[in-house]
Amino acid sequence: LAKTTQPISMDSYEGQEVNITCSHNNIATNDYITWYQQFPSQGPRFIIQGYKTKVTNEVASLFIPADRKSSTLSLPRVSLSDTAVYYCLVGDPYQAGTALIFGKGTTLSVSS
Amino acid sequence: EAGVVQSPRYKIIEKKQPVAFWCNPISGHNTLYWYRQNLGQGPELLIRYENEEAVDDSQLPKDRFSAERLKGVDSTLKIQPAELGDSAVYLCASSQFVLAGGQVGNNEQFFGPGTRLTVL
Repeated sequence: LAKTTQPISMDSYEGQEVNITCSHNNIATNDYITWYQQFPSQGPRFIIQGYKTKVTNEVASLFIPADRKSSTLSLPRVSLSDTAVYYCLVGDPYQAGTALIFGKGTTLSVSS
Repeated sequence: EAGVVQSPRYKIIEKKQPVAFWCNPISGHNTLYWYRQNLGQGPELLIRYENEEAVDDSQLPKDRFSAERLKGVDSTLKIQPAELGDSAVYLCASSQFVLAGGQVGNNEQFFGPGTRLTVL
């Protein structure tokens, strides 16, 4: 499975847009990029998944350049409740039961 | 719809004691996972079940850890005897890969809140 690299931590203020970049130089053809969010004392939660270009849902946007060697999770107008750890994962979601390989994630701290 | 349920939420034991964690996945999810998460780290897979069959237990320390998923629904993870280094959060997750009608789904995993184990 492709290894991912993302910043250990980021700080932001309420109302700002936050962009978390993840590098995955060895991404395979069938791999997708998936982001999970984890609040303290909770299990991780799926945020968004994409293969190429741009994906947007009600929570975030995911930007993936043509070479797919990196991706950027964009959180618009963050609030205090967005303080969490964000994990970038790479793998084939259509391969049954593929285990998720988590790194250390990016700890996002949002202040007022 | 109820999410993944785990119990207990917290457990404190003395080293060398046994401990068991229970997980009830989302109804209909055929795949069940147990992860261990150490402080400041991401979760690491211990074992994965497809229905009642353990299909990936390569990361499970089999000398002291065991798991079962009878009838392909609930699952129990056991540690006997526990060691100081087993202190961690044990997460259970489930996914439904094959959709109704046999359509290929997505392996989005739904996690429970975890059990925080402290070994003294």
